[in-house]
Amino acid sequence: DAGVTQSPTHLIKTRGQQVTLRCSPKSGHDTVSWYQQALGQGPQFIFQYYEEEERQRGNFPDRFSGHQFPNYSSELNVNALLLGDSALYLCASSPVEGRITDTQYFGPGTRLTVL
Amino acid sequence: AQSVTQPDIHITVSEGASLELRCNYSYGATPYLFWYVQSPGQGLQLLLKYFSGDTLVQGIKGFEAEFKRSQSSFNLRKPSVHWSDAAEYFCAVYGGATNKLIFGTGTLLAVQP
Repeated sequence: DAGVTQSPTHLIKTRGQQVTLRCSPKSGHDTVSWYQQALGQGPQFIFQYYEEEERQRGNFPDRFSGHQFPNYSSELNVNALLLGDSALYLCASSPVEGRITDTQYFGPGTRLTVL
Repeated sequence: AQSVTQPDIHITVSEGASLELRCNYSYGATPYLFWYVQSPGQGLQLLLKYFSGDTLVQGIKGFEAEFKRSQSSFNLRKPSVHWSDAAEYFCAVYGGATNKLIFGTGTLLAVQP
């Protein structure tokens, strides 16, 4: 049973560019959440997708957007990249929309470097 | 607003010694609390979680944590640390109606031989 997978593993972009990160949830999971983990910090919640809709959003600007596909996989898009967007981006999946008792399973992350 | 504080940024222990990592939370209602571990280049792995009931929670890899409401704490413990336990440890609280995990800033554990 594959866990949460993310691609690519690493990515280097320049300021002003746009980036797309991808996530496939664990088998049987239909809810995907995205987190940003800056160096030396804990993960910060970006948003959560369920039934192809954004259900919850953290304190991130509109430059951060996402999408969920019918197969439950998800994309995170960041426009107009800033140096401060350099971070590890983590995807987490859970079986049912935000049910508190369900554990979120995390992928290995995508390391984004903005130059 | 919910928040999590991990007072220790970095801890070094000797292999075989006991370990306690501190976590304090701020939350108005009964909290749902988690400990995750992150090894270099890896995602977050859940060690244990507390929702209700017995305040001493057993997890994987020999870890346990104790919920103390009076102290707003959820400290992680292990009686005997192994070199493979070297990693970063994150405490998290479930953000109630917002359905998101709120993480602390982490504690980096180093294990001396």
